[in-house]
Amino acid sequence: LAKTTQPISMDSYEGQEVNITCSHNNIATNDYITWYQQFPSQGPRFIIQGYKTKVTNEVASLFIPADRKSSTLSLPRVSLSDTAVYYCHLYNAGNMLTFGGGTRLMVKP
Amino acid sequence: DTGVSQNPRHKITKRGQNVTFRCDPISEHNRLYWYRQTLGQGPEFLTYFQNEAQLEKSRLLSDRFSAERPKGSFSTLEIQRTEQGDSAMYLCASSLAQAGGYYGYTFGSGTRLTVV
Repeated sequence: LAKTTQPISMDSYEGQEVNITCSHNNIATNDYITWYQQFPSQGPRFIIQGYKTKVTNEVASLFIPADRKSSTLSLPRVSLSDTAVYYCHLYNAGNMLTFGGGTRLMVKP
Repeated sequence: DTGVSQNPRHKITKRGQNVTFRCDPISEHNRLYWYRQTLGQGPEFLTYFQNEAQLEKSRLLSDRFSAERPKGSFSTLEIQRTEQGDSAMYLCASSLAQAGGYYGYTFGSGTRLTVV
């Protein structure tokens, strides 16, 4: 069963780029890689998804190497409001997976 | 459409009582999921529906938990004979799953259950 591993926490400063890497060594062929952001007392919010290579949207970029055993969420120029927990999640239509522990990002002024 | 709606937002119940939560997904989404989240942990999968069919249920889920999605619209999650260990945030999510595409879950704000 595929499992994700992320750093427990990260600190950054406003205006910096933040990269959060997730390991998923046993990723299955049919798994999509997705990332979510969660604020206290709210449900997670979908940020970005990808299958391979690089994906970019208006809030983040997702880098996936050819072997797909890891992925990196890149947040450009973070602000204080980006302080949250970020989850890497593998989605497979035939295999519902629990989320890992997430990475607690603290953005400092 | 205002997103995924969950009611109530908070529920305090005495141990041994039954509780029921409701989730209204995004109307065009065909999949609905229930997750449970405790403090400091990621969401734990409980069960999911494709339209009205319950397709998967976590093996860790007690028989005291049951979920329904009549007519493929809203869903209810019932917990019978609640225990203190059931205290958690119960999250509902929906998604549109179609051939060749996956567009991420949209989560509701959750129902926080406290069993005293």
